[in-house]
Amino acid sequence: DTGVSQNPRHKITKRGQNVTFRCDPISEHNRLYWYRQTLGQGPEFLTYFQNEAQLEKSRLLSDRFSAERPKGSFSTLEIQRTEQGDSAMYLCASRGGTEAFFGQGTRLTVV
Amino acid sequence: EDQVTQSPEALRLQEGESSSLNCSYTVSGLRGLFWYRQDPGKGPEFLFTLYSAGEEKEKERLKATLTKKESFLHITAPKPEDSATYLCAVQANVVNYGQNFVFGPGTRLSVLP
Repeated sequence: DTGVSQNPRHKITKRGQNVTFRCDPISEHNRLYWYRQTLGQGPEFLTYFQNEAQLEKSRLLSDRFSAERPKGSFSTLEIQRTEQGDSAMYLCASRGGTEAFFGQGTRLTVV
Repeated sequence: EDQVTQSPEALRLQEGESSSLNCSYTVSGLRGLFWYRQDPGKGPEFLFTLYSAGEEKEKERLKATLTKKESFLHITAPKPEDSATYLCAVQANVVNYGQNFVFGPGTRLSVLP
């Protein structure tokens, strides 16, 4: 499978715990995005990488969120001290040309 | 600020009943307008990119069109397997501006047999 891969697909965590998600983009794509989507809404932009450089961060991205893309390959998104409001689908997308291709997402539930 | 709205919020069609979904946008110079399909619990699946007013793209029963202010996704003789949420997104074309895609809330389409 040469698409965007995200792991885990589902994560249930207790409030206050830290969680980390991984995204493996399409191999030749140098641009990578993280989005968050809640029920009935479109995806909301969180952050953008070009190669290993994090070039954009949304105002939505509080200091509890951090993202990395070491060596410009896979990326991780960490949420520290999770809150119930963090419950959402976290989507990763990669782009080589114009179009962005999405992974299947990680569904986070904070209990 | 770039904005995307979509209408209707939800649409129910009988199999074979053609219709259109609307995406209205305001953006500081349009680099591209994108349509995606999203099934429940899955990531968005890319359908089309449109770059300039007057452009049209087709794929099976779907046809996307673009004007300066909006885009339409026309669905001809839909089948139940076309049921999904259809998302519209725009990307701005401003030097050194954001590379992000701004999404609308989507239209939930249900096609009944």
